[in-house]
Amino acid sequence: GAVVSQHPSRVICKSGTSVKIECRSLDFQATTMFWYRQFPKKSLMLMATSNEGSKATYEQGVEKDKFLINHASLTLSTLTVTSAHPEDSSFYICSAILHKETQYFGPGTRLLVL
Amino acid sequence: KQEVTQIPAALSVPEGENLVLNCSFTDSAIYNLQWFRQDPGKGLTSLLLIQSSQREQTSGRLNASLDKSSGRSTLYIAASQPGDSATYLCAVRGGSEKLVFGKGTKLTVNP
Repeated sequence: GAVVSQHPSRVICKSGTSVKIECRSLDFQATTMFWYRQFPKKSLMLMATSNEGSKATYEQGVEKDKFLINHASLTLSTLTVTSAHPEDSSFYICSAILHKETQYFGPGTRLLVL
Repeated sequence: KQEVTQIPAALSVPEGENLVLNCSFTDSAIYNLQWFRQDPGKGLTSLLLIQSSQREQTSGRLNASLDKSSGRSTLYIAASQPGDSATYLCAVRGGSEKLVFGKGTKLTVNP
């Protein structure tokens, strides 16, 4: 089956630093990837849609200057949390679409900002 | 705006029991509905995908039904096992490729 990886799986950083999270589709090309954020006991919240070769489309209420998304190739999208603060601590999950039908999800990245 | 609700929020059952998880959505104009499993601190694993034209899908001990007109889906798990313990998420897809998720049902199957 289609495999999506994320790196790192867990990151702890100091407040004010920037953190980059990578999402890769390992065995297929994905023109579209999605970035989600998940709070404890809450739904996954879609942050943005990442399209290869173009600017990401952000959901309402998501700061595009805070969460920088780059989709440089058909197998890689990156999410950079800039000037991270404790309230940015969360579980970030990416997904990639194969054949416009099923989204395959990465294993997630746990971010803790101290 | 599409909203997805899952009931119950948590469920604890003894091993071997058959169980039903419920999902409801407010806008019946969906493209498909998907059930996922999420283990603690992990990503999502797709279990079943039902197209809007379908009534149900089956995979092993799992059966998912869809009643689009009433905005409901159920996930039936037969002969539950401790390994089934996880959070089960329901998500619907509308006209775009975006998914709208429920908050999930946390299932615990006790040996």
